Amino acid sequence: EPEVTQTPSHQVTQMGQEVILRCVPISNHLYFYWYRQILGQKVEFLVSFYNNEISEKSEIFDDQFSVERPDGSNFTLKIRSTKLEDSAMYFCASRMDRGTNQPQHFGDGTRLSIL
Amino acid sequence: GDSVTQMEGPVTLSEEAFLTINCTYTATGYPSLFWYVQYPGEGLQLLLKATKADDKGSNKGFEATYRKETTSFHLEKGSVQVSDSAVYFCALSDPGAGNMLTFGGGTRLMVKP
Repeated sequence: EPEVTQTPSHQVTQMGQEVILRCVPISNHLYFYWYRQILGQKVEFLVSFYNNEISEKSEIFDDQFSVERPDGSNFTLKIRSTKLEDSAMYFCASRMDRGTNQPQHFGDGTRLSIL
Repeated sequence: GDSVTQMEGPVTLSEEAFLTINCTYTATGYPSLFWYVQYPGEGLQLLLKATKADDKGSNKGFEATYRKETTSFHLEKGSVQVSDSAVYFCALSDPGAGNMLTFGGGTRLMVKP
């Protein structure tokens, strides 16, 4: 069964450094998402992406964050200048289309640790 | 805004016990409802879904019925196994809110042999 893959599985970065989290969505999916889960807290929506542009974003997704689909297969989340509070598990998800009966399929996540 | 509330865990059961994890929601539109499961060290896996009122989602012995009158989507299983130990997340997808998922806080289930 096709799956969403995320790399790396664990990223350790110094505060203030830039980090790029990578995702390869399922190949025929059209909608892409990033979520994060701070340890012990809820899974929170960050951003959705369709047709090469952001379609929705949450308050968390400020100017330090950006997303890109550089080559038609990868979907990346960049954090420009990381802060301690960015430490979390980051999940990528993809969906085939916008229909409400289509579930989002998640990757295994990247654990980001900011030192 | 949309929100999902789950019973807090952990829930500890003996093998073959009956499981209920409560989930209630608030939404502005007509959401689809989902249960996702997260096994230790893994990502979120879709367990089951329901897209309209009175739909019953089922998978691997788990069931949940979309109850619009009580705005609930409780997860049940008649006989749990040790391998069911995981964190379970209730979530909704509201077309009026861009179809992004709104999650509950998760409920950790521990099943003892």
